[in-house]
Amino acid sequence: EVQLVESGGGLVQPGGSLRLSCAGSGFTFSRYNVHWVRQASGKGLEWLSYISPSSDLIGYADSVKGRFTISRDNAQNSLYLQMNNLRAEDTAVYYCARDQYWACDYWGQGTLVTVSS
Amino acid sequence: QSALTQPRSVSGSPGQSVTISCTGTSSDVGGYNYVSWYQHHPGKAPKLMIHDVNERPSGVPDRFSGSKSGTTASLTISGLQAEDEANYYCCSYAGSTTWVFGGGTELTVL
Repeated sequence: EVQLVESGGGLVQPGGSLRLSCAGSGFTFSRYNVHWVRQASGKGLEWLSYISPSSDLIGYADSVKGRFTISRDNAQNSLYLQMNNLRAEDTAVYYCARDQYWACDYWGQGTLVTVSS
Repeated sequence: QSALTQPRSVSGSPGQSVTISCTGTSSDVGGYNYVSWYQHHPGKAPKLMIHDVNERPSGVPDRFSGSKSGTTASLTISGLQAEDEANYYCCSYAGSTTWVFGGGTELTVL
């Protein structure tokens, strides 16, 4: 069974940093593109970032470019999102998702990030 | 990277059909056949319903169908059922390894 499990969320002050992790299982993690997507309370889904299997292709939404960094460790079947200079508007549930057909076919349950003083 | 435009809400009675539109630009919806649709029940993980404009993943009922014309994609749900009530999001590849979601549509089954 394909599973993605996010971790690392929590409360952080504005300007602070947080590193999210996503553990994949039930599939060959190293063969798949993966994404980060978030949803603020009462808002829609927002695509954040993408990384290819070998990390040679990476993309970011303008809203996080320069502040967030995506990475992966295929040996650990893990995806990461380093988030720096966090703002109140970054408060959201953060999902990781596997990419198949240039779409997100499996999603984790999400981890909540709250940016507040 | 502006969000794709979806109606905020649609509704229909059980057994009826509804269509949700998703309007973008020539840089996203109009430029690629990589449009996908997601069903999202609050508190749960989003579920992929359509990929590549009109392809259904295994396990998705054939009541769900997708199409595209120019810069507008559409999701049609026929034979509405109570369990279809959810939020629906479109998503499109937007070039240069970026994607963009629509603002979401709340479907109410009357």
